[in-house]
Amino acid sequence: DIQMTQSPSSLSASVGDRVTITCRASQGIRNDLGWYQQKPGEAPKRLIYAASSLQSGVPSRFSGSGSGTEFTLTISSLQPEDFATYYCLQHNSYPYTFGQGTKLEIK
Amino acid sequence: EVQLVESGGDLVQPGGSLRLSCAASGFAFNTFWMSWVRQAPGKGLEWVANIKPDGSEKYYVDSVKGRFTISRDNTENSLYLQLNSLRAEDTAVYYCARGLVGYWGQGTLVTVSS
Repeated sequence: DIQMTQSPSSLSASVGDRVTITCRASQGIRNDLGWYQQKPGEAPKRLIYAASSLQSGVPSRFSGSGSGTEFTLTISSLQPEDFATYYCLQHNSYPYTFGQGTKLEIK
Repeated sequence: EVQLVESGGDLVQPGGSLRLSCAASGFAFNTFWMSWVRQAPGKGLEWVANIKPDGSEKYYVDSVKGRFTISRDNTENSLYLQLNSLRAEDTAVYYCARGLVGYWGQGTLVTVSS
């Protein structure tokens, strides 16, 4: 199975900050990766697909990059509604695997 | 508008069975792979299974192989997950999702406890 190592596991930041979350795959997955945001009590929502493509309706402050084994999600200027838990998911090979999650909290 | 509505979650005893359903609307259901993803209370996300549009291919995470069965009815725009030999560690919210886990339903809670 492909292991997805996500870091950091938690992060404190302020409104307006730029933040970056990283996922590393245990083997190359091309760009077969998505990023998800989950707020408490809600279903996850996909932000980024194919590593760097912005899902329709998602604000442009979210961006993704990377290919192969290292991927990043960047939020350019944190807004109050962005405080949530973020996950990456690889869908290059079975079983699909998620990162452990990054909880983004208000500083 | 894409809509996915799960149902069928319940409290069940260890060793018991349950069938989850996901009603899809707002898109051409018979052209998309469909997945089930679960989340244990307070934990992260775990992909469980998926199924090809025509139902001819199915894939599972090892922890549910031989116990869970994914299926679909394209005439009813519905996705199913049959859960057998349930264990306490299967307790989770189960989500159905479209395609490469793009759109998600709101989930249905399965609790396995005596």
